[in-house]
Amino acid sequence: DADVTQTPRNRITKTGKRIMLECSQTKGHDRMYWYRQDPGLGLRLIYYSFDVKDINKGEISDGYSVSRQAQAKFSLSLESAIPNQTALYFCATSSPVATDTQYFGPGTRLTVL
Amino acid sequence: DAKTTQPNSMESNEEEPVHLPCNHSTISGTDYIHWYRQLPSQGPEYVIHGLTSNVNNRMASLAIAEDRKSSTLILHRATLRDAAVYYCIPYNFNKFYFGSGTKLNVKP
Repeated sequence: DADVTQTPRNRITKTGKRIMLECSQTKGHDRMYWYRQDPGLGLRLIYYSFDVKDINKGEISDGYSVSRQAQAKFSLSLESAIPNQTALYFCATSSPVATDTQYFGPGTRLTVL
Repeated sequence: DAKTTQPNSMESNEEEPVHLPCNHSTISGTDYIHWYRQLPSQGPEYVIHGLTSNVNNRMASLAIAEDRKSSTLILHRATLRDAAVYYCIPYNFNKFYFGSGTKLNVKP
């Protein structure tokens, strides 16, 4: 089984809808991240969490919110989706004990019409 | 956060060595240099990292300049499976910033 899983893998939604993307990990890592990737570009950090009670904004947090429900679960929400949030979304985990190497999920492809 | 400069793209022949350069002239003394790669339609995966000394692992070698302002990822024998975007990331246990990376094309 994969160490980092993301659900759903693909989602098509309409402008104005609320969307939640979920991430689960079995690596026992404290740190979790959400990134977004637009076509032909690198990843940009949306939010990150260094433990269950810690939430931090990344480069592009506007229009997004997150919830760290447990050590293993980190959810990303789009309260009112807009077309320019169409992108590939990746969740990642890491542990500072293990040089903070990041382990990524398979990604969620989100299309906002 | 240190900025990086990498070629947009490079090309290699299969089974030949590939040297992927990265300039990180503003790197701080405590930043590690991490390399990740992203295969088509997948999330990034860790390749290698180092601080000052050159490093080797089963995937690649990392050569770090003495002044730490640049580094080179070395794939000793490129395979078709190595075709990916390679990211060089100075990191200090805070947060990762992925630039645009180098897209490596491997020709059979």
